[in-house]
Amino acid sequence: GAGVSQSPRYKVAKRGQDVALRCDPISGHVSLFWYQQALGQGPEFLTYFQNEAQLDKSGLPSDRFFAERPEGSVSTLKIQRTQQEDSAVYLCASSAAGTGVSDTQYFGPGTRLTVL
Amino acid sequence: GENVEQHPSTLSVQEGDSAVIKCTYSDSASNYFPWYKQELGKGPQLIIDIRSNVGEKKDQRIAVTLNKTAKHFSLHITETQPEDSAVYFCAASDMGSQGNLIFGKGTKLSVKP
Repeated sequence: GAGVSQSPRYKVAKRGQDVALRCDPISGHVSLFWYQQALGQGPEFLTYFQNEAQLDKSGLPSDRFFAERPEGSVSTLKIQRTQQEDSAVYLCASSAAGTGVSDTQYFGPGTRLTVL
Repeated sequence: GENVEQHPSTLSVQEGDSAVIKCTYSDSASNYFPWYKQELGKGPQLIIDIRSNVGEKKDQRIAVTLNKTAKHFSLHITETQPEDSAVYFCAASDMGSQGNLIFGKGTKLSVKP
């Protein structure tokens, strides 16, 4: 079936605007992760969902970042009052297993956010 | 928490040569070590992974070795081809978390024809 999809692929925002980034995981996958990838760096963990429950949000950089997965499928990462330092690629990954299992994570293509 | 170091940051090889990328990790409890390939403008793609109960794993031209005692693991690509050119990331499972990965900073591999 289809892999992980993300939209939009590119987003340009003016500083102070709110943005919403969408992730469609692989159908039936229990776990969903959001990562942030700065230019020239490896992905860094933001938050984790098991079904609709957000079990870990320790990587969110500030309270301007909010994520949800209300029906245990599609997830949205929202950034309020964007700042220039929020410019990065935001990656979504899903895996079949639930918490406590180190399972293969499949990544989407990412959303490149540029804040002017 | 877990910390992953990766080197070299850039690697240039001639087509047909082998390429080796090395990573070290800090948490001896980590038990899962995937390698991802990322091409420009795309998301990371899993190419091979290894778990801590195995010392080596091979898939055609790609192999990964794990030394738990020394806490390091390596990616070996043989008979490199121009299409192998990409950024490669190693990662380790963060055992203090729900399964998220800690990534190295990446290695930009260039294979010259």
